[in-house]
Order: sequence, then structure tokens, then C-alpha cells
Amino acid sequence: AQSVTQLDSHVSVSEGTPVLLRCNYSSSYSPSLFWYVQHPNKGLQLLLKYTSAATLVKGINGFEAEFKKSETSFHLTKPSAHMSDAAEYFCVVSDLMNTGFQKLVFGTGTRLLVSP
Amino acid sequence: GAVVSQHPSRVICKSGTSVKIECRSLDFQATTMFWYRQFPKQSLMLMATSNEGSKATYEQGVEKDKFLINHASLTLSTLTVTSAHPEDSSFYICSGGITGGNTDTQYFGPGTRLTVL
Repeated sequence: AQSVTQLDSHVSVSEGTPVLLRCNYSSSYSPSLFWYVQHPNKGLQLLLKYTSAATLVKGINGFEAEFKKSETSFHLTKPSAHMSDAAEYFCVVSDLMNTGFQKLVFGTGTRLLVSP
Repeated sequence: GAVVSQHPSRVICKSGTSVKIECRSLDFQATTMFWYRQFPKQSLMLMATSNEGSKATYEQGVEKDKFLINHASLTLSTLTVTSAHPEDSSFYICSGGITGGNTDTQYFGPGTRLTVL
């Protein structure tokens, strides 16, 4: 079965400094990997998605992630944090199901705190 | 596009009662919808996969008689928590996959917070 491990439950940064949220995956085949963000009282929003087309994936709001097979990692980065980036971030891997759609397996989440 | 709504956003009920949560895809058709549960400060756990016009597929450990799922149309799925107990208090989130779209892309609703007294 596919799984992801988010190494940090909380990450604190100052506004304007870089963001690094770490994620490692376990997969028996080439997976699809995602980063989702969850703001309070809002639905989960897809930041970006990796599907083997390119190892460096650019997402919305200036976020990007790099797929490194040798390290089984898919870390999320942003050059400069903004106050509005404060939220819960989930690393997600897809898993095959018998039905048409693929199952999403969520990591435990990382809460990003941004201070002025 | 690809908006999913949930109703209600919050519900408080007494122990032993049943609660129904609706999940609607507002601007797309969803042959498949998913129901997740999120306990405080924890991750989302898939409860079941709902396919329009057929029985839901439940994940291991999820009681199908307690969490009744109906997916009667391509835009509506419902989750009924029967005989709710305090341990059922949680944040319930649904998502939908676009019929004919990418099979690994889901659009999430804003969630329903259930509190059982």
C-alpha cells in the first residue's frame, strides 16, 4: 500500500523567509503525489500534483515541489512566506482501487505558522 | 469550477439520534464521491467510496450499518450517521471526482463538524 510521512507536525517561519515542508513517500510503483492546503473553515485546495511528467512541479501561490526518487521525497517549498500561507498542509499519494478512481492517502499534516 | 458544497456546516445532536450530511457537486457531475473523517489535529481518513447508483465501498474498520451512504444522483451523496455517539464527533469531509476526468483528482467540500453530546 502507498503511504506518505510528513516529518514535521509544525513549521514556523517569519514572513518573507523561505518555506520547506518535508514529505517522504512509500510506493511499490510510480505514484501520483500531491500537496493540499487546508485553511480553517475552507475546503481542501490542491496546491500541486506530480504525475511523472516533470520532477519539479510548480503549483499555485508560488509553491513548488521536487520529486526525488532516490530519496523517496516530495518536499514542498516556497521562496518567501506570506501571512496568508498560514494553514495546514497535507502531502498525499494516490493508490489504486478496483473502481475507476484512485484512492488518496493523506499524510498527518504540517501546520505552517507565519509570524510578522 | 469544480465546487463541492456540504450541508450542514455544523451540527450538534444528542447521543442516539441520527444525522444526515449532504454533499453536492455544484458545477460538475460526480460518478464517484468520497467520504473522509478528520479527528482533531489528525489527518483525513477515507471512510468510503460512493458510486452513483450502486452500493458504497467501505474502508476496513468502518461500520457500513452505522455510516449509511446514498449516492442517488450524479450531484448528490449523503452520509447518515445512525445512532450517533460522542465518539462519532468529528469533521466529515466529502469530495467528488469529475465523471470522465482524471481518476486521481478530487474536489473537496468545506466539511461538516459533527458534535454528539
